[in-house]
This record gives sequence, structure tokens and C-alpha cells, in this order.
Amino acid sequence: AQSVTQLDSQVPVFEEAPVELRCNYSSSVSVYLFWYVQYPNQGLQLLLKYLSGSTLVKGINGFEAEFNKSQTSFHLRKPSVHISDTAEYFCAVMRGNQGGKLIFGQGTELSVKP
Amino acid sequence: DAGVIQSPRHEVTEMGQEVTLRCKPISGHDYLFWYRQTMMRGLELLIYFNNNVPIDDSGMPEDRFSAKMPNASFSTLKIQPSEPRDSAVYFCASSGTSGGLTYEQYFGPGTRLTVT
Repeated sequence: AQSVTQLDSQVPVFEEAPVELRCNYSSSVSVYLFWYVQYPNQGLQLLLKYLSGSTLVKGINGFEAEFNKSQTSFHLRKPSVHISDTAEYFCAVMRGNQGGKLIFGQGTELSVKP
Repeated sequence: DAGVIQSPRHEVTEMGQEVTLRCKPISGHDYLFWYRQTMMRGLELLIYFNNNVPIDDSGMPEDRFSAKMPNASFSTLKIQPSEPRDSAVYFCASSGTSGGLTYEQYFGPGTRLTVT
């Protein structure tokens, strides 16, 4: 079975500081990896995805993530956060042969303080 | 494109009542997913459809829950009878297939259900 572990449930950070949200997955087969963001009282919105190719992927709002196959990780980073980045962030895994089914992590609450 | 549309956005009902949540996926998408989000259990996949056919309903909590997709542009999630522990935000998402592979899911705004 595959699973997704987000290592931090809450990450407080000051505005303009860098941030890293950690995600590890377990799977015996090739996977596709995603990061979603959820702002308060809204649905989830795709930040970025890794399907194949370059292991460094860039997404919206200045976020990027690096796929590390040997460490089975897909950490999300941003060099300088804004107040508006305050939200819940979800890492998700999809097996290529499983018809679009996503397995989500428990989420990381990013709180950006002035 | 209007995105995934869900209705109602908020629903308050009494225990024992029937609740029906509705979803209109993005036009052209052939996968539709129903999720439930709570503080305790996070985001759970309840059921998903491909070309209107249920593929995996292993996440449906019990027989009180049922889902249908009568056509490509409409799906319902029904809870009968409802219980207070069903209180949650229910999301619908859809995705499309390209070259045989299915990629990102697009989420609706959710329905916040409160059962008293």
C-alpha cells in the first residue's frame, strides 16, 4: 500500500523568510506527485506536480518542489513567503496505473506572521 | 470554464434527515471524485467514477452513504439517514484523461454539512 507523510502539521514562519514543507511517500511503483493548497473556506487548488523529467518543478505563487526518488521525498519550498501564503498545504501521490486516485497527506498548516 | 460546481454550499439538517449533495464536473472530464474533510480524519476519498461508472467505493463509510452519476455532467452524494458524525466539508473534484493518463484533479468549493 502507498502512503503519504507530511512531517510537520504546523509551520509558523515570519514574512519574507524561506520555508520548506516536507513530504515523504511510500510506494513500490512509479508515482506522480502533487502539492495542493487550501485557503480558508475554499477548495483545494493545484500548486505544482511532478509527472516525469526534471526533478525540480516550479509551480504557482513562487513555490517549487524537488522530487528525490532515493529518499522518496517531494519537499515544497519557497525562498520568501508572504502573508497571503498562509494556508493549508497537502502533498498527494497518484499511482500511474490507478486511474487517477490520489492519496493525500494529512496537511501542513503554514502560518506566515508579519 | 466555471470550474467544478457544488451545491448547496452550506447545509444544516437534523439527525435522521436525508441529505443530497450535488456536483457538476468540468465539461470534458471523465473522472469524478467525492471527498470528505474533517479535522479528525483529514481528507478522505469516499468514491470515484470513471465515465459515469463507480470504480472504487471503498471509502464510503457505511450503507447510509450512496453516490450516483447519471450522466457526465452531474453527480449526487446522498446520506440517509444523516447523523451528527457526518458533519464535515464534502468536496467534489474532477479530472480529465490525456494519452491514457489522468493528471491533476480540480476541486469544487465544497459543501459544509452540519447535522444537529
